[in-house]
Amino acid sequence: AQSVTQLGSHVSVSEGALVLLRCNYSSSVPPYLFWYVQYPNQGLQLLLKYTSAATLVKGINDFEAEFKKSETSFHLTKPSAHMSDAAEYFCAVVNTDKLIFGTGTRLQVFP
Amino acid sequence: EAQVTQNPRYLITVTGKKLTVTCSQNMNHEYMSWYRQDPGLGLRQIYYSMNVEVTDKGDVPEGYKVSRKEKRNFPLILESPSPNQTSLYFCASSLFTSGGRTDTQYFGPGTRLTVL
Repeated sequence: AQSVTQLGSHVSVSEGALVLLRCNYSSSVPPYLFWYVQYPNQGLQLLLKYTSAATLVKGINDFEAEFKKSETSFHLTKPSAHMSDAAEYFCAVVNTDKLIFGTGTRLQVFP
Repeated sequence: EAQVTQNPRYLITVTGKKLTVTCSQNMNHEYMSWYRQDPGLGLRQIYYSMNVEVTDKGDVPEGYKVSRKEKRNFPLILESPSPNQTSLYFCASSLFTSGGRTDTQYFGPGTRLTVL
């Protein structure tokens, strides 16, 4: 069965620092993987997705993620954090007719 | 504008009083789904529908009902709400990929439900 694990429920960075949010997946078939972001009091919106094309996926707001099959990972990165990046981030994997979410990582950005 | 709408956005009710949360999408998506979000648990799927008149249980279906009589609408029904159903609820919709998997899901703004 497919699943995802997000390491670290809270991550804090300074403005301008590198953002790294970790996601490891388990899948018996080539996975479709997603990162979603949830800003305070809003729904989820797609940051980026991997669907077996390029292993380095670029998303909105300068976020990107690299699919590493050997490490079963799909970590999310951003070179320089901005205050507006403060939000909760969810990694998810598709299981044919379901989207399986991780438990989320809350990102705090300090000035 | 392509969107998923939910109503109401906020609801406070009492134990046992039947309620319905509506969900509508204007993107002609076949797939629709309901999730609940609870602190530390992420999003868990309640029910989903792959097309009109086709619904299936997700991971936490107990205490909920759904129906899909029209492609655009997917209401969530709580026949007898209980306090453990206090949560933030999201509706989502998507197309299918050529391989038959649910593709990018588009989420509504959420409904915050409190059951006293």
